[in-house]
Amino acid sequence: GEDVEQSLFLSVREGDSSVINCTYTDSSSTYLYWYKQEPGAGLQLLTYIFSNMDMKQDQRLTVLLNKKDKHLSLRIADTQTGDSAIYFCAEGRSNDMRFGAGTRLTVKP
Amino acid sequence: DAGVTQSPTHLIKTRGQHVTLRCSPISGHKSVSWYQQVLGQGPQFIFQYYEKEERGRGNFPDRFSARQFPNYSSELNVNALLLGDSALYLCASSLAPTGYEQYFGPGTRLTVT
Repeated sequence: GEDVEQSLFLSVREGDSSVINCTYTDSSSTYLYWYKQEPGAGLQLLTYIFSNMDMKQDQRLTVLLNKKDKHLSLRIADTQTGDSAIYFCAEGRSNDMRFGAGTRLTVKP
Repeated sequence: DAGVTQSPTHLIKTRGQHVTLRCSPISGHKSVSWYQQVLGQGPQFIFQYYEKEERGRGNFPDRFSARQFPNYSSELNVNALLLGDSALYLCASSLAPTGYEQYFGPGTRLTVT
């Protein structure tokens, strides 16, 4: 089974904010990542956060990390139709990364 | 600057055959990792190489092997293909094994019939 868990689907209206949640299990993970995957494509690195931080903002993206609860979230402000994709969170371990199953974000006009 | 490149883009093999997938990392990156992504799932870690040495291996059978060349490009080999090996194989490169962002290539779609 997955060590990293995400809800499978999220649907929002264009212009609204999207919040994608993730829980992980390895407290020794030093970095936590968000990747975006569009149909038929590889993974695009969106942002990442170091485990000693609790928040990181990058333009429309805000990452929140609750290390005590091992909970990570990605907020996309002013969601656009081009944001429709699958979003993966991943925990960075010593030699590998563990991914969740992905959250499919659908943005309705 | 070129990103991570992988070849071929797609290929179809039959059960029992062997396949070789290739990856060229971003210029200056010395670490390459391989992942298998089955349809509807997240990527699963197969191997990580750094400076031509294997640094990590996921829970995959010995039919899977890899190597890294002096120019830091890498090959993933899979022997005795099974139907369950059908997946998108992703290569990721980073400056070093840990604590750095990993950038993914577009993947190779392998279909085993």
